[in-house]
Amino acid sequence: DAKTTQPTSMDCAEGRAANLPCNHSTISGNEYVYWYRQIHSQGPQYIIHGLKNNETNEMASLIITEDRKSSTLILPHATLRDTAVYYCIVGGTSYGKLTFGQGTILTVHP
Amino acid sequence: DGGITQSPKYLFRKEGQNVTLSCEQNLNHDAMYWYRQDPGQGLRLIYYSQIVNDFQKGDIAEGYSVSREKKESFPLTVTSAQKNPTAFYLCASSYRYYNSPLHFGNGTRLTVT
Repeated sequence: DAKTTQPTSMDCAEGRAANLPCNHSTISGNEYVYWYRQIHSQGPQYIIHGLKNNETNEMASLIITEDRKSSTLILPHATLRDTAVYYCIVGGTSYGKLTFGQGTILTVHP
Repeated sequence: DGGITQSPKYLFRKEGQNVTLSCEQNLNHDAMYWYRQDPGQGLRLIYYSQIVNDFQKGDIAEGYSVSREKKESFPLTVTSAQKNPTAFYLCASSYRYYNSPLHFGNGTRLTVT
């Protein structure tokens, strides 16, 4: 499975959009991009996933570049409860062997 | 509500003892997984099961064992052979083994002294 690169930490003001980038330059054609987040001492929570097209659900939007080498997770109106570690993961046919890396620590400030 | 239940939330054991962590799901998912998380680190895959009565080693299976006798249950045993068992253990499931999001339980924090 392709590896991903994310910034170690990011800050965002409450009420503003949080844009979390992820690079996955070695992604292959059948691999999806998944985003999860983890709040301290809890299990990771699934947010969204996509293959080629941009996706939106009640939690967030996922923007994937045309060459699929990078993506951005957008939380449109960040709240204090969105403070968490956000993981970008790429996978396909060997999904169970995906590596959850260090992720991005997002801190939302009042 | 459908979900994954891990129990207990906190577990304490003496060194040299085996301990079994429970994981139950009522999502009717075929695949289940066990991950380990150490402080400040990402998740590492211990074992996974694509279907009932089948399971495969992940990246760090040494010192662990699993069984998958029922679709909804995937218990993990941490044996005395595991050199550093103190960690946060996470169970997950997915509808199928590939191209399907993982749903996680809230973890069991195991402390071995």
